[in-house]
Amino acid sequence: QVHLVQSGPEVRKPGSSVKVSCKAPGGSFSSYAINWVRQAPGQGLEWMGGIVPIFGPANYAQKFQGRVTITADESTNTAYMELSSLRFEDTAIYYCARDGIVDTAMVFGYWGQGTLVTVSS
Amino acid sequence: EIVLTQSPGIVYVSPGERATLSCKSSQSVSSSLAWYQQRPGQPPSLLIYGASTRVTGIPDRFSGSGSGTDFTLTISSLQSEDFAVYYCQQYDNWPPALTFGGGTKVEIK
Repeated sequence: QVHLVQSGPEVRKPGSSVKVSCKAPGGSFSSYAINWVRQAPGQGLEWMGGIVPIFGPANYAQKFQGRVTITADESTNTAYMELSSLRFEDTAIYYCARDGIVDTAMVFGYWGQGTLVTVSS
Repeated sequence: EIVLTQSPGIVYVSPGERATLSCKSSQSVSSSLAWYQQRPGQPPSLLIYGASTRVTGIPDRFSGSGSGTDFTLTISSLQSEDFAVYYCQQYDNWPPALTFGGGTKVEIK
């Protein structure tokens, strides 16, 4: 079983930034896709972007282009999602999700526990 | 951008009955569609991929069908643990993008 461990809850003011981490177990870290999905209170799932470290730069949802940066540190098997210019509506649970549970890319069988980011003045 | 529209938003079903959930895509995604279940307070859990292939360990009361733009998730005989929210996700358009549907909540009638 693959456990993705995310960093703890965050509280930020509007206009600031937040960086959430997601640590994956060792072994083939670079070959799997790590994606970030958020869920606002009482709302559905929203894909933000993802990275396959072996392939290089991340891909982002159009909605978040210019505001989100997804990176991966292969030396620590950790992925990061940084969201800038925070707004009240960015208050959500942020999940990292990884493929590899089945032999199909971009299908997410492994999820982190979620990180609550609260934007409040 | 591919848009996935799930219907209905909420469906009320009695235990033991069948539930049929729909996911329609704004353009063809071939069979590159997955279904997830999310229980309250939990991250989503993968049920089906490739439109119709169950993940190992998923009960056979869950079945997926469809291709192109129209997809269906059927739960043949609802158990208490099946009352949850279900999401579809397309991965045909990767790269650059993935999409989730808005979800269908299955509630006890």
